[in-house]
Amino acid sequence: NAGVTQTPKFRVLKTGQSMTLLCAQDMNHEYMYWYRQDPGMGLRLIHYSVGEGTTAKGEVPDGYNVSRLKKQNFLLGLESAAPSQTSVYFCASSLIAGTSGIGEQYFGPGTRLTVT
Amino acid sequence: KNEVEQSPQNLTAQEGEFITINCSYSVGISALHWLQQHPGGGIVSLFMLSSGKKKHGRLIATINIQEKHSSLHITASHPRDSAVYICAVWFLNTGNQFYFGTGTSLTVIP
Repeated sequence: NAGVTQTPKFRVLKTGQSMTLLCAQDMNHEYMYWYRQDPGMGLRLIHYSVGEGTTAKGEVPDGYNVSRLKKQNFLLGLESAAPSQTSVYFCASSLIAGTSGIGEQYFGPGTRLTVT
Repeated sequence: KNEVEQSPQNLTAQEGEFITINCSYSVGISALHWLQQHPGGGIVSLFMLSSGKKKHGRLIATINIQEKHSSLHITASHPRDSAVYICAVWFLNTGNQFYFGTGTSLTVIP
């Protein structure tokens, strides 16, 4: 199993350009998440999905859109990139587990994005 | 306000030392997750717990629900344990995501 993979690993964008980050998981997990990690701050949730065809906003959703057309894929889009979106982006997935429904999270390797 | 605090922020230890990393949170939780992030950036799950204690190899995680506190212990530390250790909690009152601490950077010197 590859686990959670992310494409691309690195990207440099100019302000105003658009791009899509792809996350794929082969563990048949229901839940998928997109986070950003910035220096001095904890991981922050951008958007998440509890199943195919569903998405919801996290803590910092502005400037991003997502889609989950297939259970194994979760796409993160930046329509008009801004320097404030320079960050490392992590995708994660988890099962629905236990009575609480909260499962251990499995992370992808990250995408380092720079917006100039 | 839902807050997660880790201490210390940075920790340097000699190989073989017993290490403790702390995580405190502000309100009741459903679950707490300990993660490890190596210098290359990859994030790996170590433990998820909601009560008591869990052990895996040289790593031990404990949680005290009443005191809203969890500790991650590393016994017989080794330079390969050098990493950032991250605590994340799932608060009862939000119920839709994990909230992450800023991490503890551990360096183990040979």
